[in-house]
Amino acid sequence: KAGVTQTPRYLIKTRGQQVTLSCSPISGHRSVSWYQQTPGQGLQFLFEYFSETQRNKGNFPGRFSGRQFSNSRSEMNVSTLELGDSALYLCASSAGQGIYGYTFGSGTRLTVV
Amino acid sequence: DQQVKQNSPSLSVQEGRISILNCDYTNSMFDYFLWYKKYPAEGPTFLISISSIKDKNEDGRFTVFLNKSAKHLSLHIVPSQPGDSAVYFCAASNTGGFKTIFGAGTRLFVKA
Repeated sequence: KAGVTQTPRYLIKTRGQQVTLSCSPISGHRSVSWYQQTPGQGLQFLFEYFSETQRNKGNFPGRFSGRQFSNSRSEMNVSTLELGDSALYLCASSAGQGIYGYTFGSGTRLTVV
Repeated sequence: DQQVKQNSPSLSVQEGRISILNCDYTNSMFDYFLWYKKYPAEGPTFLISISSIKDKNEDGRFTVFLNKSAKHLSLHIVPSQPGDSAVYFCAASNTGGFKTIFGAGTRLFVKA
């Protein structure tokens, strides 16, 4: 069975631009979570969606937003990009609550120049 | 607000010996704890977990210990193998919280 697919794998954007990242969860998984990974900071929680509803949100500015579609695919958007937004963005899916373990995608490496 | 802390950024161990990775947490509401392993250019993969009603869980070479009174958990890998060289993340969740909090990770080097 296919894993979690994130597109694109790599992205270079300029400060001030906006970006949309995509995540397709494992078939049947209805929960999708997004994390930002930066060196020394570990994985910082962005938000979690279940059946198109955001159930929880991390401590990120409003420039970071997301949504989930009826087929459980999810997108996250970052507007007005800053240099500090350069990071690996990871998507994770789970069948129910992710507390019993996520399956992660390989991530999207975003570089803001 | 670092609710999950991994205070050792890196650890180096000889092949065949025991690797012990440590993790501390501050939120007493956490009731489920997990370890993930991450290789470069890949997403983290789930390794082993433990519920707060237990103090030990074992899976092959991997054992996780939980000390609730100290708010501390550890991952033991015995025997360590070069293929275990990776970044290990400790994570914690609470039922109904809909999110998992991760530590900063510990990079394990297993020398042949």
